[in-house]
Amino acid sequence: DTAVSQTPKYLVTQMGNDKSIKCEQNLGHDTMYWYKQDSKKFLKIMFSYNNKELIINETVPNRFSPKSPDKAHLNLHINSLELGDSAVYFCASSQGAGDEKLFFGSGTQLSVL
Amino acid sequence: QQRVKQSPQSLIVQKGGISIINCAYENTAFDYFPWYQQFPGKGPALLIAIRPDVSEKKEGRFTISFNKSAKQFSLHIMDSQPGDSATYFCAANGGYSGGGADGLTFGKGTHLIIQP
Repeated sequence: DTAVSQTPKYLVTQMGNDKSIKCEQNLGHDTMYWYKQDSKKFLKIMFSYNNKELIINETVPNRFSPKSPDKAHLNLHINSLELGDSAVYFCASSQGAGDEKLFFGSGTQLSVL
Repeated sequence: QQRVKQSPQSLIVQKGGISIINCAYENTAFDYFPWYQQFPGKGPALLIAIRPDVSEKKEGRFTISFNKSAKQFSLHIMDSQPGDSATYFCAANGGYSGGGADGLTFGKGTHLIIQP
């Protein structure tokens, strides 16, 4: 069983479209994250949720909106996609807000044409 | 502003050699320093981690050396194997006020190639 699973694995879309990436974890963790990895492999945190509540919201355009329907799911919706949004997006989870050990999903490669 | 600086960007080591990757940080509020390993097409996975109260931690062929006064830490991979070829990230946790889910601040990564 995959601990942190993301769908889709690949996402190719046109500029201006709206898309969503889904994430689910079956580890029973309370905290979930979204990270962005750019073309140079740099990993940067975007959002963090603890028990469905937003904890961290880094300087991310408001076109990006996370949604956590329950603590096992954290989805990422992106409006009006831009070329610069092309990247690999990773979902991650940790046991609790103070638990630093992160478990990452395998990523969603987003390509905006 | 990059809060965790990692070097080198890429590294080629012969099989059986020692791979060394270095990181430096500025924020003294950091209190947890993990290393993550990432294979192509996969997410990063925790390899080994250290806290500032010890100067060294070893797990198998992987060792973290930590120098608190210099604000530096490094990953040593002994007897490097082709299967160790991956991208390695150092990271640090902490630095947000108020606690909570701080997340991790990552270095820019080191692409390690172990030549057979």
